[in-house]
Amino acid sequence: QVQLVESGGGVVQPGRSLRLSCAASGFTFNIYGMHWVRQAPGKGLEWVAVIWYDGSNKYYADSVKGRFTISRDNSKNRLYLQMNSLRAEDTAVYYCARDSSNPDIWGQGTLVTVSS
Amino acid sequence: QSTLTQPRSVSGSPGQSVTISCTGTSSDVGGYNYVSWFQQHPGKAPKSMIYDVTKRPSGVPDRFSGSKSGNTASLTISGLQAEDEADYYCCSYAGSYTVFGGGTKVTVL
Repeated sequence: QVQLVESGGGVVQPGRSLRLSCAASGFTFNIYGMHWVRQAPGKGLEWVAVIWYDGSNKYYADSVKGRFTISRDNSKNRLYLQMNSLRAEDTAVYYCARDSSNPDIWGQGTLVTVSS
Repeated sequence: QSTLTQPRSVSGSPGQSVTISCTGTSSDVGGYNYVSWFQQHPGKAPKSMIYDVTKRPSGVPDRFSGSKSGNTASLTISGLQAEDEADYYCCSYAGSYTVFGGGTKVTVL
């Protein structure tokens, strides 16, 4: 079945870096764009970034532009989010989601906590 | 990159219908037929209920329906059931980015 599994979350100090990973299975990964979406504790969903199926185009929310980088490895069916210069306000559950005009299939999420 | 506007909460009794609005601009909701709706229960990942304004993914009951007029999209839940109590988020394609609504809590009285 179609499945997305995120990993790499944890507790990190402000200003440090963290890389999230998303393993895809059950569908042809290299023909779909992919999103990262986050949700701060008790808050709503916030779109973070999208990457095209072949990695040729990437777009970011203004709140993370210049600090986060989305990438993918189609040979490994994996999506990544490199997060640098982390801030307290980046604390959230991070979801990867498959794109089909909008996110459609979602992973279960991985929690990132930015705290000293 | 602003947020789509949704009511904070709506409620209804079992069997009734409720409608959630989602207001954007001509740059997002009004400009594309790519509006989705997601249901989220506490502690769970979002689940797609409607995509491309009116389409239902396989397995979603036909009690859920979507529509759009101008810059406002709507989700209607007919024949409200206890398991429909959840948070609902709209989402729109906006060209080089994607935008979500602030979320609506649906309470079944």
